Amino acid sequence: GQQVMQIPQYQHVQEGEDFTTYCNSSTTLSNIQWYKQRPGGHPVFLIQLVKSGEVKKQKRLTFQFGEAKKNSSLHITATQTTDVGTYFCGGGSARQLTFGSGTQLTVLP
Amino acid sequence: EAQVTQNPRYLITVTGKKLTVTCSQNMNHEYMSWYRQDPGLGLRQIYYSMNVEVTDKGDVPEGYKVSRKEKRNFPLILESPSPNQTSLYFCASSLSVSNTEAFFGQGTRLTVV
Repeated sequence: GQQVMQIPQYQHVQEGEDFTTYCNSSTTLSNIQWYKQRPGGHPVFLIQLVKSGEVKKQKRLTFQFGEAKKNSSLHITATQTTDVGTYFCGGGSARQLTFGSGTQLTVLP
Repeated sequence: EAQVTQNPRYLITVTGKKLTVTCSQNMNHEYMSWYRQDPGLGLRQIYYSMNVEVTDKGDVPEGYKVSRKEKRNFPLILESPSPNQTSLYFCASSLSVSNTEAFFGQGTRLTVV
């Protein structure tokens, strides 16, 4: 079945440093979604990418979808303590969304 | 307010005692799913439902049952819970096949002793 690998599993950064997490799928994805889960919270939708090579920005967050639609990345510029949490990518459809294992981001003040 | 509501939020139970975790959404979404979240394994899909009376297995369905008698409700049933089902459970819903943004409930932390 479809597998989505996400790296790194953990990332500690100093406040102000950049952060990137990567997702790789074993199969071509129709779309990829990114979610953020704050400590003790539930996953919250950030964005969906559909087109090959698509790049979307949300303030300090930049999301990319690979040309082959098998990989994606989330980059945060100049991290803040409010960025703390676990970031998940998920690929597939509404019927079956396969998630990566997540990257847990710690931001040190 | 648009939301997915799960109950209970926390549950400690004993091996073999049947339990049900309820999930309800007020957004008229077609798709609903159950996930379990375990450290290092991320979110794994247990079951999903495409509409009323239409359900199918996800990646880790063993030991679980679901039903979808009404569009808004999608309960998760553990007929005979075992300690390896100790986990954090999330219910999620999505509008349709073309709008797949998933809305998650607050989660249910289940401990089976």
